[in-house]
Amino acid sequence: AQSVTQLDSHVSVSEGTPVLLRCNYSSSYSPSLFWYVQHPNKGLQLLLKYTSAATLVKGINGFEAEFKKSETSFHLTKPSAHMSDAAEYFCVVKGRGGGADGLTFGKGTHLIIQP
Amino acid sequence: DGGITQSPKYLFRKEGQNVTLSCEQNLNHDAMYWYRQDPGQGLRLIYYSQIVNDFQKGDIAEGYSVSREKKESFPLTVTSAQKNPTAFYLCASTWSGSYEGTDTQYFGPGTRLTVL
Repeated sequence: AQSVTQLDSHVSVSEGTPVLLRCNYSSSYSPSLFWYVQHPNKGLQLLLKYTSAATLVKGINGFEAEFKKSETSFHLTKPSAHMSDAAEYFCVVKGRGGGADGLTFGKGTHLIIQP
Repeated sequence: DGGITQSPKYLFRKEGQNVTLSCEQNLNHDAMYWYRQDPGQGLRLIYYSQIVNDFQKGDIAEGYSVSREKKESFPLTVTSAQKNPTAFYLCASTWSGSYEGTDTQYFGPGTRLTVL
């Protein structure tokens, strides 16, 4: 069995300050991990993914995430927030087993950017 | 341009009616998926299909039906048996197999269904 927990349902930061969105996972196998972003009334867009090649993963729009096996975490960060980053962010874990290739979605973190 | 299209963008349904949501992809992906999204609940899997003429139930298949007659198309029917169908519906697709890149799902823009 696998699960993913996004520790904050809402995060609010000021424009130009760092962003941290937290994600913890559990998996019986070495997982693949993803972060997706969703703007209002839109589909999900892949930000980045971890598949065991490197623990620090760089994605689009200046985002990156670090896989920490000892902490079972895959937190998403960005050095400087932009107004266009305001959206919903989903952490996703893929292990073996389960339906649909074993994907499990977190419940999402709503990122608010204050001017 | 390659991608996934969903139509309509907004759909209104009266209670007791069946409605069909369209999902088409020109990415030559083998597998296609339907998810339901409710506020604060993330995405939940309704149905998925790994190949043409075959599909599997996901976690919340009751009240829904699908077909996969063509590789590029995976329509979802919301039947009158679905008691609470108002939600945002997302279609996704991916390659099948075990090689790098097959685990990334690509999403359509979604259909918002409202029951009146």
